[in-house]
Amino acid sequence: GDSVTQMEGPVTLSEEAFLTINCTYTATGYPSLFWYVQYPGEGLQLLLKATKADDKGSNKGFEATYRKETTSFHLEKGSVQVSDSAVYFCALSISGGYNKLIFGAGTRLAVHP
Amino acid sequence: DAGITQSPRYKITETGRQVTLMCHQTWSHSYMFWYRQDLGHGLRLIYYSAAADITDKGEVSDGYVVSRSKTENFPLTLESATRSQTSVYFCASSGWASGTTDTQYFGPGTRLTVL
Repeated sequence: GDSVTQMEGPVTLSEEAFLTINCTYTATGYPSLFWYVQYPGEGLQLLLKATKADDKGSNKGFEATYRKETTSFHLEKGSVQVSDSAVYFCALSISGGYNKLIFGAGTRLAVHP
Repeated sequence: DAGITQSPRYKITETGRQVTLMCHQTWSHSYMFWYRQDLGHGLRLIYYSAAADITDKGEVSDGYVVSRSKTENFPLTLESATRSQTSVYFCASSGWASGTTDTQYFGPGTRLTVL
């Protein structure tokens, strides 16, 4: 079945460091891909998305490119801030029907000054 | 205020009791979802709904019941709570009122503890 695998955390970085969180997926159709972020004590909120191969989603300095050939959607940011500390979830949805989301396990990011 | 709300935010109950978690959204979204979040599992889908009176089971639906008599409400009931249902529960919605149906908007969550 469809699934999402993302790198285990926690990821600990110093402020202004480069961030990569790996995400790969398995899907039988043509999924849309998402990164959601969860700040402490809050619900999830959409960070960025891409709906077809080679699309790049971007928001708040974060980027991810939909790579069909490697079935990947890695999240990157050039210079992280303390305020980026959160849990990041990669997810996919298959178009049509309910657009149900399938989530990865989440990666906790801690950024220190 | 517009948005998606959940109540209660925290709940402690005992094994065997019935518990209902509430979810309310003000966007008139057609689709609504319930997830549970457990360490190491990410979010797993419990139930989903395409419209009032249309619901279907997700990945982990055993022990849960839902109803959707009105578009804006989607309550989740644990018929007889068990310790394994201790979790954080998130409600989400999506719909054309937000311009696309593929983006889900999440509530703040309900932390449920079953003793």
